[in-house]
Amino acid sequence: LAKTTQPISMDSYEGQEVNITCSHNNIATNDYITWYQQFPSQGPRFIIQGYKTKVTNEVASLFIPADRKSSTLSLPRVSLSDTAVYYCLVGVRGVDGGADGLTFGKGTHLIIQP
Amino acid sequence: ETGVTQSPTHLIKTRGQQVTLRCSSQSGHNTVSWYQQALGQGPQFIFQYYREEENGRGNFPPRFSGLQFPNYSSELNVNALELDDSALYLCAMGQGGYEQYFGPGTRLTVT
Repeated sequence: LAKTTQPISMDSYEGQEVNITCSHNNIATNDYITWYQQFPSQGPRFIIQGYKTKVTNEVASLFIPADRKSSTLSLPRVSLSDTAVYYCLVGVRGVDGGADGLTFGKGTHLIIQP
Repeated sequence: ETGVTQSPTHLIKTRGQQVTLRCSSQSGHNTVSWYQQALGQGPQFIFQYYREEENGRGNFPPRFSGLQFPNYSSELNVNALELDDSALYLCAMGQGGYEQYFGPGTRLTVT
Protein backbone atom coordinates (compact mmCIF):
# COMPACT_ATOMS: atom_id res chain seq x y z
CA LEU A 1 0.00 0.00 0.00
CA ALA A 2 1.25 3.46 -0.87
CA LYS A 3 2.30 5.53 2.11
CA THR A 4 0.77 8.99 2.44
CA THR A 5 2.10 12.17 4.01
CA GLN A 6 -0.10 15.10 4.94
CA PRO A 7 0.23 18.08 7.30
CA ILE A 8 -0.58 17.35 10.92
CA SER A 9 -2.70 20.48 11.30
CA MET A 10 -4.03 23.50 9.45
CA ASP A 11 -5.90 26.65 10.44
CA SER A 12 -8.23 28.76 8.37
CA TYR A 13 -11.18 31.13 8.69
CA GLU A 14 -14.82 30.93 7.84
CA GLY A 15 -15.57 31.69 4.20
CA GLN A 16 -12.08 30.81 2.98
CA GLU A 17 -11.15 28.04 0.58
CA VAL A 18 -8.98 25.39 2.21
CA ASN A 19 -6.59 23.14 0.34
CA ILE A 20 -5.07 20.09 2.03
CA THR A 21 -2.28 18.38 0.12
CA CYS A 22 -1.32 14.74 0.45
CA SER A 23 1.91 13.22 -0.87
CA HIS A 24 1.95 9.63 -2.11
CA ASN A 25 5.20 9.21 -4.03
CA ASN A 26 4.96 5.42 -4.46
CA ILE A 27 1.37 5.29 -5.68
CA ALA A 28 0.73 2.28 -7.90
CA THR A 29 -0.86 2.37 -11.34
CA ASN A 30 -4.18 0.95 -10.19
CA ASP A 31 -4.40 2.87 -6.89
CA TYR A 32 -7.23 5.31 -6.23
CA ILE A 33 -7.04 8.31 -3.87
CA THR A 34 -9.74 8.64 -1.26
CA TRP A 35 -10.44 11.24 1.42
CA TYR A 36 -12.35 10.79 4.64
CA GLN A 37 -13.53 13.33 7.23
CA GLN A 38 -13.88 12.59 10.93
CA PHE A 39 -15.56 14.70 13.60
CA PRO A 40 -14.78 14.10 17.29
CA SER A 41 -16.46 11.00 18.72
CA GLN A 42 -17.81 9.98 15.31
CA GLY A 43 -16.73 7.49 12.68
CA PRO A 44 -14.97 8.67 9.53
CA ARG A 45 -17.15 9.79 6.62
CA PHE A 46 -16.27 9.25 2.96
CA ILE A 47 -15.82 12.60 1.17
CA ILE A 48 -14.45 11.98 -2.28
CA GLN A 49 -12.44 9.60 -4.42
CA GLY A 50 -10.49 10.04 -7.63
CA TYR A 51 -7.93 8.51 -9.96
CA LYS A 52 -6.63 11.42 -12.04
CA THR A 53 -7.22 15.08 -12.98
CA LYS A 54 -10.18 16.56 -11.08
CA VAL A 55 -13.22 15.22 -9.30
CA THR A 56 -15.92 17.42 -7.79
CA ASN A 57 -18.96 16.67 -5.69
CA GLU A 58 -21.29 18.69 -3.49
CA VAL A 59 -18.79 18.70 -0.63
CA ALA A 60 -15.31 19.06 -2.10
CA SER A 61 -13.00 18.90 -5.09
CA LEU A 62 -10.04 16.63 -5.54
CA PHE A 63 -7.14 17.68 -7.75
CA ILE A 64 -4.65 15.07 -8.93
CA PRO A 65 -1.69 16.08 -11.12
CA ALA A 66 -0.56 14.00 -14.05
CA ASP A 67 2.21 12.19 -12.11
CA ARG A 68 -0.31 11.30 -9.35
CA LYS A 69 2.39 11.59 -6.68
CA SER A 70 0.27 14.04 -4.73
CA SER A 71 -3.33 15.16 -4.47
CA THR A 72 -5.13 18.17 -3.06
CA LEU A 73 -8.47 18.18 -1.31
CA SER A 74 -10.18 21.53 -1.76
CA LEU A 75 -12.99 22.67 0.54
CA PRO A 76 -14.78 25.77 -0.78
CA ARG A 77 -15.94 28.47 1.62
CA VAL A 78 -15.42 26.57 4.86
CA SER A 79 -17.54 27.05 7.95
CA LEU A 80 -16.93 26.28 11.63
CA SER A 81 -18.58 22.89 11.11
CA ASP A 82 -15.77 21.86 8.76
CA THR A 83 -13.44 21.62 11.74
CA ALA A 84 -12.45 17.95 11.67
CA VAL A 85 -9.65 15.53 10.90
CA TYR A 86 -9.17 14.79 7.19
CA TYR A 87 -7.53 11.55 6.07
CA CYS A 88 -5.96 10.81 2.72
CA LEU A 89 -5.93 7.12 1.70
CA VAL A 90 -4.36 5.47 -1.31
CA GLY A 91 -5.01 1.97 -2.54
CA VAL A 92 -6.84 -0.32 -4.87
CA ARG A 93 -10.53 0.16 -5.40
CA GLY A 94 -11.65 -3.30 -4.43
CA VAL A 95 -14.51 -5.32 -5.81
CA ASP A 96 -17.12 -7.02 -3.66
CA GLY A 97 -15.47 -8.47 -0.64
CA GLY A 98 -12.04 -8.12 -2.14
CA ALA A 99 -10.78 -5.00 -0.46
CA ASP A 100 -8.17 -5.03 2.26
CA GLY A 101 -8.79 -2.80 5.23
CA LEU A 102 -8.49 0.94 4.85
CA THR A 103 -5.11 2.26 5.98
CA PHE A 104 -5.49 5.54 7.86
CA GLY A 105 -2.57 7.72 8.87
CA LYS A 106 -2.87 10.40 11.53
CA GLY A 107 -4.68 12.76 9.17
CA THR A 108 -4.79 16.55 9.06
CA HIS A 109 -6.53 18.32 11.89
CA LEU A 110 -8.28 21.29 10.26
CA ILE A 111 -9.39 24.06 12.59
CA ILE A 112 -11.73 26.74 11.26
CA GLN A 113 -11.95 29.97 13.19
CA PRO A 114 -14.65 32.66 13.04
CA GLU B 1 -26.38 9.54 8.86
CA THR B 2 -24.75 6.38 7.54
CA GLY B 3 -27.41 4.00 8.79
CA VAL B 4 -24.78 2.01 10.66
CA THR B 5 -25.42 1.68 14.37
CA GLN B 6 -23.20 0.37 17.15
CA SER B 7 -23.86 -0.68 20.70
CA PRO B 8 -23.11 0.03 23.39
CA THR B 9 -21.96 3.63 23.13
CA HIS B 10 -19.60 3.39 26.07
CA LEU B 11 -18.29 0.46 28.05
CA ILE B 12 -15.97 0.02 31.02
CA LYS B 13 -14.29 -3.33 31.61
CA THR B 14 -11.60 -4.70 33.85
CA ARG B 15 -8.31 -6.14 32.61
CA GLY B 16 -8.67 -9.84 31.82
CA GLN B 17 -12.39 -9.67 31.08
CA GLN B 18 -14.07 -10.34 27.76
CA VAL B 19 -16.21 -7.90 25.76
CA THR B 20 -18.64 -8.11 22.84
CA LEU B 21 -19.40 -5.11 20.68
CA ARG B 22 -22.21 -5.01 18.15
CA CYS B 23 -22.84 -3.37 14.80
CA SER B 24 -25.86 -3.35 12.53
CA SER B 25 -27.22 -1.66 9.44
CA GLN B 26 -30.61 -1.25 7.83
CA SER B 27 -29.00 -1.56 4.39
CA GLY B 28 -27.62 -4.72 2.87
CA HIS B 29 -23.87 -4.18 2.82
CA ASN B 30 -21.96 -7.35 2.09
CA THR B 31 -18.74 -6.50 3.93
CA VAL B 32 -18.24 -5.43 7.52
CA SER B 33 -14.94 -4.28 8.94
CA TRP B 34 -13.83 -3.38 12.42
CA TYR B 35 -11.29 -0.73 13.37
CA GLN B 36 -9.58 0.32 16.58
CA GLN B 37 -8.85 4.00 17.07
CA ALA B 38 -6.61 5.14 19.90
CA LEU B 39 -6.74 8.75 21.03
CA GLY B 40 -5.05 11.06 18.52
CA GLN B 41 -4.48 8.29 15.98
CA GLY B 42 -6.18 7.20 12.80
CA PRO B 43 -8.33 4.06 12.81
CA GLN B 44 -6.41 0.78 12.59
CA PHE B 45 -7.88 -2.12 10.64
CA ILE B 46 -8.69 -5.18 12.77
CA PHE B 47 -10.45 -7.47 10.30
CA GLN B 48 -13.09 -7.69 7.59
CA TYR B 49 -15.93 -10.16 7.07
CA TYR B 50 -17.51 -11.04 3.75
CA ARG B 51 -20.33 -13.55 3.41
CA GLU B 52 -19.91 -14.44 7.09
CA GLU B 53 -16.25 -15.40 6.72
CA GLU B 54 -13.18 -13.44 7.78
CA ASN B 55 -11.35 -12.48 4.57
CA GLY B 56 -8.82 -9.95 5.77
CA ARG B 57 -7.02 -9.17 8.99
CA GLY B 58 -4.75 -6.46 10.27
CA ASN B 59 -1.99 -6.77 12.85
CA PHE B 60 -4.18 -7.85 15.76
CA PRO B 61 -3.82 -11.02 17.88
CA PRO B 62 -6.31 -13.92 17.79
CA ARG B 63 -8.01 -12.74 20.98
CA PHE B 64 -9.76 -10.28 18.67
CA SER B 65 -12.44 -12.25 16.87
CA GLY B 66 -15.68 -11.55 15.11
CA LEU B 67 -18.86 -12.75 13.53
CA GLN B 68 -21.01 -11.58 10.64
CA PHE B 69 -24.64 -12.68 10.61
CA PRO B 70 -26.98 -13.29 7.64
CA ASN B 71 -28.85 -10.09 8.45
CA TYR B 72 -25.56 -8.14 7.91
CA SER B 73 -25.07 -7.40 11.61
CA SER B 74 -21.75 -8.16 13.21
CA GLU B 75 -19.99 -8.67 16.52
CA LEU B 76 -16.46 -7.95 17.66
CA ASN B 77 -15.25 -10.05 20.58
CA VAL B 78 -12.14 -9.28 22.55
CA ASN B 79 -10.86 -11.78 25.12
CA ALA B 80 -8.39 -11.25 27.94
CA LEU B 81 -8.69 -7.48 27.81
CA GLU B 82 -5.53 -5.44 28.27
CA LEU B 83 -5.17 -1.80 29.27
CA ASP B 84 -3.98 -0.95 25.74
CA ASP B 85 -7.29 -2.17 24.35
CA SER B 86 -8.86 1.05 25.59
CA ALA B 87 -9.94 2.82 22.41
CA LEU B 88 -12.83 3.76 20.14
CA TYR B 89 -13.98 0.71 18.17
CA LEU B 90 -15.50 1.46 14.80
CA CYS B 91 -17.56 -0.72 12.55
CA ALA B 92 -17.66 -0.02 8.81
CA MET B 93 -19.94 -1.51 6.20
CA GLY B 94 -19.73 -1.43 2.45
CA GLN B 95 -19.60 -3.34 -0.77
CA GLY B 96 -15.85 -3.72 -0.74
CA GLY B 97 -13.84 -0.85 -2.13
CA TYR B 98 -12.91 2.38 -0.49
CA GLU B 99 -16.35 3.88 0.18
CA GLN B 100 -17.19 2.49 3.59
CA TYR B 101 -19.97 3.60 5.94
CA PHE B 102 -18.80 3.92 9.52
CA GLY B 103 -20.85 3.75 12.66
CA PRO B 104 -20.39 6.18 15.55
CA GLY B 105 -18.20 3.78 17.48
CA THR B 106 -18.07 2.21 20.92
CA ARG B 107 -15.75 3.79 23.46
CA LEU B 108 -14.13 0.98 25.47
CA THR B 109 -12.22 1.74 28.66
CA VAL B 110 -10.21 -1.03 30.30
CA THR B 111 -9.17 -0.43 33.90
